[in-house]
Amino acid sequence: GNSVTQMEGPVTLSEEAFLTINCTYTATGYPSLFWYVQYPGEGLQLLLKATKADDKGSNKGFEATYRKETTSFHLEKGSVQVSDSAVYFCAFNSGGSNYKLTFGKGTLLTVNP
Amino acid sequence: GAGVSQTPSNKVTEKGKYVELRCDPISGHTALYWYRQSLGQGPEFLIYFQGTGAADDSGLPNDRFFAVRPEGSVSTLKIQRTERGDSAVYLCASSLTGTQFYEQYFGPGTRLTVT
Repeated sequence: GNSVTQMEGPVTLSEEAFLTINCTYTATGYPSLFWYVQYPGEGLQLLLKATKADDKGSNKGFEATYRKETTSFHLEKGSVQVSDSAVYFCAFNSGGSNYKLTFGKGTLLTVNP
Repeated sequence: GAGVSQTPSNKVTEKGKYVELRCDPISGHTALYWYRQSLGQGPEFLIYFQGTGAADDSGLPNDRFFAVRPEGSVSTLKIQRTERGDSAVYLCASSLTGTQFYEQYFGPGTRLTVT
């Protein structure tokens, strides 16, 4: 069935370090891929998305590329900040006639000054 | 503009009681989704409305769970005979339409605790 496998956390980095959070998916059809972020005490927010193979989504210095051949959508940022501390969720929608999201378990990122 | 709102923000109830959770989507959004997020997990899909009708309720765990959206705007998730395993954060999301290209905007959630 449809599923998302996401790198387990927690991940702890120093400010300005490079970040990668791995995400692979199992889906039928032609899903769109997403990264959502949940900052402490706040609701889920869309961070970036990609809707077809080889698309690169980017926002706030974060990037992820839709790799159909490896069914992956890894999140990267070149230089993290303390304010990036949050839980990150990889997700996709299943397409077809409705677009419910399937989420990974989330990765807690803590960035220390 | 106003985002998705959910009430109450917290609900504590005793096992066996009935609860209702309310979601006010963004004005003009025709698609509405309910998800459930257990501690340490990602949100899990419960039900999807397109307008007034439930287009996909495949995520509802059993017949104690029911949701309505009678006028195509506000939605209520209803849980009968609550069990301790129902404790979770219930999230509502809305999008302009139910297509894969429109972002789902999430509300802050209702934290349900069944004692």
